[in-house]
Amino acid sequence: GAVVSQHPSWVICKSGTSVKIECRSLDFQATTMFWYRQFPKQSLMLMATSNEGSKATYEQGVEKDKFLINHASLTLSTLTVTSAHPEDSSFYICSASVGGLSTDTQYFGPGTRLTVL
Amino acid sequence: GDSVTQMEGPVTLSEEAFLTINCTYTATGYPSLFWYVQYPGEGLQLLLKATKADDKGSNKGFEATYRKETTSFHLEKGSVQVSDSAVYFCALSESGGSYIPTFGRGTSLIVHP
Repeated sequence: GAVVSQHPSWVICKSGTSVKIECRSLDFQATTMFWYRQFPKQSLMLMATSNEGSKATYEQGVEKDKFLINHASLTLSTLTVTSAHPEDSSFYICSASVGGLSTDTQYFGPGTRLTVL
Repeated sequence: GDSVTQMEGPVTLSEEAFLTINCTYTATGYPSLFWYVQYPGEGLQLLLKATKADDKGSNKGFEATYRKETTSFHLEKGSVQVSDSAVYFCALSESGGSYIPTFGRGTSLIVHP
């Protein structure tokens, strides 16, 4: 089956620093990847849709200057949390569709737990 | 807009008990329906799916039937194990649209030996 990896699996950083999270599709090409944020004991909140070779589409209320998304290749999307603050601490999950937006099944990465001190 | 409603948890069961987690949905079109499972500290894994009315999705002993008349997709398992302890998310995605899923809030399942 389709495998999506994330790196790092967890990261601790100081307030004001930037953190980059990588999402890779290991055995398929993903023209579209998705970034979610999950707070403890809550559902996933879609942050943005990442499109290879073009700008990401952000959901309402998500600051695009704070959460920078780059989808430079068909197998890699990155999320950079800029000038992180404690309220950005969360579990970040990416996903990818094998057929981009034309298929209904997403494959999720294992998630990255970000703690900002 | 589309929405998914799941029963609130946690659901606490003894090993080998019967499991039902209720899920109902609201959608404008003809969605595909999914159950995802999230084990502690991990991302989501697709558990099963159904793409049209009366379809039954099944995997690892879990089953769910797409009921259009009741707009439901309840998850069932005949005999749960301790290793089934996890959070279960019901989700839908609309056909003919962006296929970005709409998730329910998740239901935590705790199975005791």
